[in-house]
Amino acid sequence: AQSVTQPDIHITVSEGASLELRCNYSYGATPYLFWYVQSPGQGLQLLLKYFSGDTLVQGIKGFEAEFKRSQSSFNLRKPSVHWSDAAEYFCAVGARNQFYFGTGTSLTVIP
Amino acid sequence: GAVVSQHPSRVICKSGTSVKIECRSLDFQATTMFWYRQFPKKSLMLMATSNEGSKATYEQGVEKDKFLINHASLTLSTLTVTSAHPEDSSFYICSARFTTGRTEAFFGQGTRLTVV
Repeated sequence: AQSVTQPDIHITVSEGASLELRCNYSYGATPYLFWYVQSPGQGLQLLLKYFSGDTLVQGIKGFEAEFKRSQSSFNLRKPSVHWSDAAEYFCAVGARNQFYFGTGTSLTVIP
Repeated sequence: GAVVSQHPSRVICKSGTSVKIECRSLDFQATTMFWYRQFPKKSLMLMATSNEGSKATYEQGVEKDKFLINHASLTLSTLTVTSAHPEDSSFYICSARFTTGRTEAFFGQGTRLTVV
């Protein structure tokens, strides 16, 4: 069965520091992979997606993610975090008629 | 493009009544729509997958008679919470995928349901 794991429930970083959010998936074939961000009380916004090709994908707001097939990972990174990046981040796996999310990582940014 | 509108954004209802939540894809056709429930500080729990013109597929543990899903057109899906109880209070989010081509899902802004 497919699953998505985000090992870090909560991460705190200083503004300007680099960020990496981890995501591991389990799926029989190569899945479509996504990162979404959710601000409090809001819906989800797509940050970036991976379908195929270049394993390093660029997204909005300065985010990027790298697909590593050997590690079944799709970690999200940002070189310099801004206070406005504080939010909940969800990794997702989509394939065929299914779309499943990890448990999310809550990001706190301190001045 | 690819906007999903969910209505209402907030609703308060009395215990025992039914509430309908609408999910519309405004500028694209969506063969598949998904309904999620999100508990505080928790991830999104997939409740059901809705395909236009056919019965929804419910995830294990989701009561299909309580959470009625209708997907009558390529741009509209509805979730009706029947005989709502306080434990049904939650944040419900819908998402939609393009009929063909793109595979990412686009999300509505969510509906905060409070049952009193």
